Amino acid sequence: AQSVTQPDIHITVSEGASLELRCNYSYGATPYLFWYVQSPGQGLQLLLKYFSGDTLVQGIKGFEAEFKRSQSSFNLRKPSVHWSDAAEYFCAAFTGGGNKLTFGTGTQLKVEL
Amino acid sequence: EAQVTQNPRYLITVTGKKLTVTCSQNMNHEYMSWYRQDPGLGLRQIYYSMNVEVTDKGDVPEGYKVSRKEKRNFPLILESPSPNQTSLYFCASSSSPPGLAGGSLTDTQYFGPGTRLTVL
Repeated sequence: AQSVTQPDIHITVSEGASLELRCNYSYGATPYLFWYVQSPGQGLQLLLKYFSGDTLVQGIKGFEAEFKRSQSSFNLRKPSVHWSDAAEYFCAAFTGGGNKLTFGTGTQLKVEL
Repeated sequence: EAQVTQNPRYLITVTGKKLTVTCSQNMNHEYMSWYRQDPGLGLRQIYYSMNVEVTDKGDVPEGYKVSRKEKRNFPLILESPSPNQTSLYFCASSSSPPGLAGGSLTDTQYFGPGTRLTVL
């Protein structure tokens, strides 16, 4: 079955440290891939998306993600985390059939000052 | 300001009492969808609509209905709510389905602020 997996439920990093959030997908063909962020009490905001082409995608708020076909992964990275980055992060995938996004279960990021 | 609004934001109700959660967008978007968010399960799509009078089931449609009589509105209807429908609900809209080939690469799916529903 098609799925999106985020293996880390919680991650804690110190402010200023680097961050990598993992995302793996299981699809027959390469899906379109997305990362969203949800701040407490807020809706979801799109950070970045991958459709094709360059496998390193730049997003908003200093985030980037790298698509690796051989590993079926689309990991989110940030070189230096800020306290305001504490939020829940969702990876999502879209394929042509069904016209819908499938979300991972989310990773809760805590930033220690 | 581009936005998706949902009402109510919070609702506590009892089993079997019909309710409607409204969703409205001011961006003339064609594609709208409803999600529910549950701890440990992420977001799951309930229904989506490609345009006026065009709706289809998502991953978890049981117990829900939708309608799309106007482009801007996409209400979610629970005819007979049950406790397992206690959840956080999000409405979202975009000019095209999130990853539709040929769609604008700058297109994004806008999410509403959420409706927290408790069914007793």
